[in-house]
Amino acid sequence: DTEVTQTPKHLVMGMTNKKSLKCEQHMGHRAMYWYKQKAKKPPELMFVYSYEKLSINESVPSRFSPECPNSSLLNLHLHALQPEDSALYLCASSPRLAGGNEQFFGPGTRLTVL
Amino acid sequence: GQNIDQPTEMTATEGAIVQINCTYQTSGFNGLFWYQQHAGEAPTFLSYNVLDGLEEKGRFSSFLSRSKGYSYLLLKELQMKDSASYLCAAYIKAAGNKLTFGGGTRVLVKP
Repeated sequence: DTEVTQTPKHLVMGMTNKKSLKCEQHMGHRAMYWYKQKAKKPPELMFVYSYEKLSINESVPSRFSPECPNSSLLNLHLHALQPEDSALYLCASSPRLAGGNEQFFGPGTRLTVL
Repeated sequence: GQNIDQPTEMTATEGAIVQINCTYQTSGFNGLFWYQQHAGEAPTFLSYNVLDGLEEKGRFSSFLSRSKGYSYLLLKELQMKDSASYLCAAYIKAAGNKLTFGGGTRVLVKP
């Protein structure tokens, strides 16, 4: 299994809703990432987990809350989002954080905040 | 700070060659990735250069010059399916081992 899966593919939510994005990989990778990508822009790093511990938080607002329950799963909990948070949210994984390992990206969740 | 520049858009003809340049000014640079991203899809890995020189992989080649802060991706024998965005990304070990992406280059292949 050499892929990263993400659910849901599309999500529409109101500003008062609470929702979660899920990401899963079974490649034995110990580094997992959340990126946000706006149209015609490159991915922007949000969070990095290494061995299930938060390693990097790129000053992301607290309305985004990551969670890594085990080495295969990565969640992103969403609460009180703003319309400008609408974007493609990409999950990625790599064998480990160090060493310049290739990151494998999931297909993304397209989020629309109304 | 980190600065990675690449052209916004390029157009080329099917069967031709296109070279996408990427210049970077970063501290703690450890390598340069190239990713391909079709519209609405996830980025997929193309190449990773750590040492200076050219790495060839089929129709795609990538070059790195660390002293000049410069890389390029060369796409040969262009096919219509090569129409996509091409992202260069610097691997910054000093910044917590993370990738910093350039703005991406949209390549349009015309018949």
